[in-house]
Amino acid sequence: EPEVTQTPSHQVTQMGQEVILRCVPISNHLYFYWYRQILGQKVEFLVSFYNNEISEKSEIFDDQFSVERPDGSNFTLKIRSTKLEDSAMYFCASSIDRGVRTEAFFGQGTRLTVV
Amino acid sequence: AQSVTQLDSQVPVFEEAPVELRCNYSSSVSVYLFWYVQYPNQGLQLLLKYLSGSTLVKGINGFEAEFNKSQTSFHLRKPSVHISDTAEYFCAVSVWNQGGKLIFGQGTELSVKP
Repeated sequence: EPEVTQTPSHQVTQMGQEVILRCVPISNHLYFYWYRQILGQKVEFLVSFYNNEISEKSEIFDDQFSVERPDGSNFTLKIRSTKLEDSAMYFCASSIDRGVRTEAFFGQGTRLTVV
Repeated sequence: AQSVTQLDSQVPVFEEAPVELRCNYSSSVSVYLFWYVQYPNQGLQLLLKYLSGSTLVKGINGFEAEFNKSQTSFHLRKPSVHISDTAEYFCAVSVWNQGGKLIFGQGTELSVKP
């Protein structure tokens, strides 16, 4: 069964460093998403991406964040200068369609720890 | 704005007992409702969804949920749980005019004990 894969599963980084979280969506999917979950809090929407541009972003997704689909298969989330409060589980998701009725498939997540 | 509240952060239950995980939402417009499950070290997996029609929806692994518009609830139920149901369960909504964005509750950790 096709699945969304995320790497690495766990990343530890020092405050101020840049990190790139990687995702490989399901191959025929066209819409891509990043969510995050700070420990003990809700899963929060960060950004959606379609046709090589951002469709929608939340207020969390500030200038420190960027997304990219560099090679037609990977979908990355970059945090330029990490802060302690960026420590969270980051989930990538993809869907074949943007419609609200369409199921989004999620990866297993990357746990980012900023020290 | 929309919001989702899962009233229980942890639900311990014995094997073969029934379980209900509660979810309430707030929205001024029509929403679609989802339950996702996350098993340890895995991604979020769709359990079931309500889009329209019958308010009782059945999902995978014997789970079902009932949409109650007047109470703005979408509680998840299973008549008899197994050890393998131990996982984190997330209720979520999407709004008809906001694409595929999901708004999640904070999750309920279901712990099934022998």
